[in-house]
Amino acid sequence: DTGVSQDPRHKITKRGQNVTFRCDPISEHNRLYWYRQTLGQGPEFLTYFQNEAQLEKSRLLSDRFSAERPKGSFSTLEIQRTEQGDSAMYLCASSLGVSNTEAFFGQGTRLTVV
Amino acid sequence: AQSVSQHNHHVILSEAASLELGCNYSYGGTVNLFWYVQYPGQHLQLLLKYFSGDPLVKGIKGFEAEFIKSKFSFNLRKPSVQWSDTAEYFCAVSLTGNQFYFGTGTSLTVIP
Repeated sequence: DTGVSQDPRHKITKRGQNVTFRCDPISEHNRLYWYRQTLGQGPEFLTYFQNEAQLEKSRLLSDRFSAERPKGSFSTLEIQRTEQGDSAMYLCASSLGVSNTEAFFGQGTRLTVV
Repeated sequence: AQSVSQHNHHVILSEAASLELGCNYSYGGTVNLFWYVQYPGQHLQLLLKYFSGDPLVKGIKGFEAEFIKSKFSFNLRKPSVQWSDTAEYFCAVSLTGNQFYFGTGTSLTVIP
């Protein structure tokens, strides 16, 4: 499968713990996005990378959230000191990063904070 | 504030009925427009896209959408829905290759 891959698919953690999610984009895509989706809502933008550079971060991305894409390939999203409000589906997408292109999404990581 | 609005939150139709889902956006510049679909238990998939040219675009599975610039709208249509079209539908806007903004989604249930 050469699509966007996310790991893990599900994560249950206790409040206060740190969690890290991984995203492997489509190999030739230089742009990578992170979104968060809660029940009944559309995906909310968190941040995106052009290669290894983090170009934009949403105000939703508190200082407990950090994302990296160290070699311009896979990316990680870490949430420190998780809170119950962090429970959501975390989506990763990638694109070619040119003007007229679509984003391709992974299956997502469902986080449950108990 | 920049936004994407989907007016129908939950639509229930019988098979063979026609579908139209509304989408409006509030960005003033050049935009790319998309409809994504999320079938139960699956990831978001592209249904159709508009970049430029003919404002009536055709997508997969018989879906089409019309871009009306003056109304900032990109409504999704299908003449005859099937049970397999039951899914969540999301309108999205991209500001020329930068981040994608999504609407809140419309849940479509098609009754056999």
